[in-house]
Amino acid sequence: AQRVTQPEKLLSVFKGAPVELKCNYSYSGSPELFWYVQYSRQRLQLLLRHISRESIKGFTADLNKGETSFHLKKPFAQEEDSAMYYCALSGRGTGFQKLVFGTGTRLLVSP
Amino acid sequence: GAGVSQTPSNKVTEKGKYVELRCDPISGHTALYWYRQSLGQGPEFLIYFQGTGAADDSGLPNDRFFAVRPEGSVSTLKIQRTERGDSAVYLCASSLGWGNVNEQFFGPGTRLTVL
Repeated sequence: AQRVTQPEKLLSVFKGAPVELKCNYSYSGSPELFWYVQYSRQRLQLLLRHISRESIKGFTADLNKGETSFHLKKPFAQEEDSAMYYCALSGRGTGFQKLVFGTGTRLLVSP
Repeated sequence: GAGVSQTPSNKVTEKGKYVELRCDPISGHTALYWYRQSLGQGPEFLIYFQGTGAADDSGLPNDRFFAVRPEGSVSTLKIQRTERGDSAVYLCASSLGWGNVNEQFFGPGTRLTVL
């Protein structure tokens, strides 16, 4: 079965500190991995996906197939990064269409 | 242009009642998705439409849940004989078309409360 695990419900850091939001997945095959973000009073939106290999708002994520992980990282956190972050996957096993989400991690960046 | 819109934003109903939740996708998006998000959980897939047809309804929890998209644009999620466990935020998303490379754009959600 496809599963996404985000072990931390809350991650609290100070401004300027490095951030790593953990995501592990269970999937047989080659999944597509995504990070979605939801800022306060805003809708869920795509932050980045592993196939793009982009850095968005200073965030990066590397797919590690050996460890089945897709951790989200940022070297210097900003207060505006405070939000709810969801890791998600799709793939042939999900019909490519539906996203399977983790339970989310709330990032709180304090001044 | 406008993003995905959902109405109502909030719906309070009594156990056993029937409810309809509406989703207006982004114009031109042929794919439409419904997800349900319970408190403290991530969104959970319910159903996916490609055009007018439900291409995958494997996430619908039981036969009390039904969704339609008769003209390939607006979609309605229908819940019969609501139960307290149906209380959640129902999210709609749309994308340009087929395939995982198409980004899903989410609506603001409808918060359903069943008393």
